[in-house]
Amino acid sequence: DAGVIQSPRHEVTEMGQEVTLRCKPISGHDYLFWYRQTMMRGLELLIYFNNNVPIDDSGMPEDRFSAKMPNASFSTLKIQPSEPRDSAVYFCASSLSAGETQYFGPGTRLLVL
Amino acid sequence: SQQGEEDPQALSIQEGENATMNCSYKTSINNLQWYRQNSGRGLVHLILIRSNEREKHSGRLRVTLDTSKKSSSLLITASRAADTASYFCATDFSQAGTALIFGKGTTLSVSS
Repeated sequence: DAGVIQSPRHEVTEMGQEVTLRCKPISGHDYLFWYRQTMMRGLELLIYFNNNVPIDDSGMPEDRFSAKMPNASFSTLKIQPSEPRDSAVYFCASSLSAGETQYFGPGTRLLVL
Repeated sequence: SQQGEEDPQALSIQEGENATMNCSYKTSINNLQWYRQNSGRGLVHLILIRSNEREKHSGRLRVTLDTSKKSSSLLITASRAADTASYFCATDFSQAGTALIFGKGTTLSVSS
């Protein structure tokens, strides 16, 4: 298996633009997680899905953030409109269950100017 | 916060020395995990220890768990320059129905 795949790896955009981050989890994993990592706040869980259903989105910072999982092999995290404070590395991870080993993707480094 | 908190925040050692990192948490857990993150990369799982286990080994890694003190330690023996990375503990508060909660990490620097 190729592991968790994220795209794009880097994204530079201007404030106000829409940003869409993509993730393909490991096949057979029922759980998918979206994290954001910054120097100030560390690694924050934004939202996670079980069998394509959002379970906990309490970490999503604002209504500007939305996440979907239309099927077992694809998820998106969308920011609209983007702001400079959204600049961070966004990670997707998947696992067989919520509390077990998580496998992380390489991350998307987002810079909002 | 229910986060695990690592100590120290940063650690610098010489190759061949042992490195010990600690993690404390606040409520009962099902398991505790350690992850490593190399600069600019994603997190990589190192080891998982369950609440009914006290010690676990994996190669040069040794993890202990003391549920009475709500703490865990990660020991890397005979460190190498390639061990330079950030190390995170993550706790599973599954009884609350949540996913893993990560601490802020210990940055380890191993010089040759």
